[in-house]
Amino acid sequence: DAGVTQSPTHLIKTRGQHVTLRCSPISGHKSVSWYQQVLGQGPQFIFQYYEKEERGRGNFPDRFSARQFPNYSSELNVNALLLGDSALYLCASSLSGGNYGYTFGSGTRLTVV
Amino acid sequence: AQSVTQLGSHVSVSEGALVLLRCNYSSSVPPYLFWYVQYPNQGLQLLLKYTTGATLVKGINGFEAEFKKSETSFHLTKPSAHMSDAAEYFCAVSDRGSGGYQKVTFGTGTKLQVIP
Repeated sequence: DAGVTQSPTHLIKTRGQHVTLRCSPISGHKSVSWYQQVLGQGPQFIFQYYEKEERGRGNFPDRFSARQFPNYSSELNVNALLLGDSALYLCASSLSGGNYGYTFGSGTRLTVV
Repeated sequence: AQSVTQLGSHVSVSEGALVLLRCNYSSSVPPYLFWYVQYPNQGLQLLLKYTTGATLVKGINGFEAEFKKSETSFHLTKPSAHMSDAAEYFCAVSDRGSGGYQKVTFGTGTKLQVIP
């Protein structure tokens, strides 16, 4: 069975640009959560989606947005990139949320220059 | 608000020695507790979880953790360290946020070094 798939694995963007990160959850999982992991820190919660609806949002600016599609895949969009947005972005798949554990993808390493 | 504190950002043990990684949590409701492991350039992998029931939880790769409500702790242990255990370990806590979603909050991580 395929695990959680994230694309791209790496990308480099310039300040002010826009980026879209993609995630395909495990088959049958209806919830996707996004986390930002800055080097040397623990993952920080950005969004949680369940059944295509946003369930929760972390303390991130409005430049960050996301959506979930009918097939439960998800996109994370970041506008007006800042140097501080450089991080590993992790997608976490679960049946209904994180209470019984997440399955994480390998992440997208975003570098903003 | 829930939070997690991991004591010690770096821990070194000799191969074959006991591994003890410390985690304390804060939560206003009975928590769900987790330990995840992260190898370089990879995502996080669930080691074990406590939801309800038995307070001693066994996970993969010989790890276990004990939920102690009175101490608000969930320390991770392994009797004998193996070289392949070298990684970063994250403790996490989950409770219900507003709107019914399950927000999982992670600690800052502990890097485990295993010395031959």
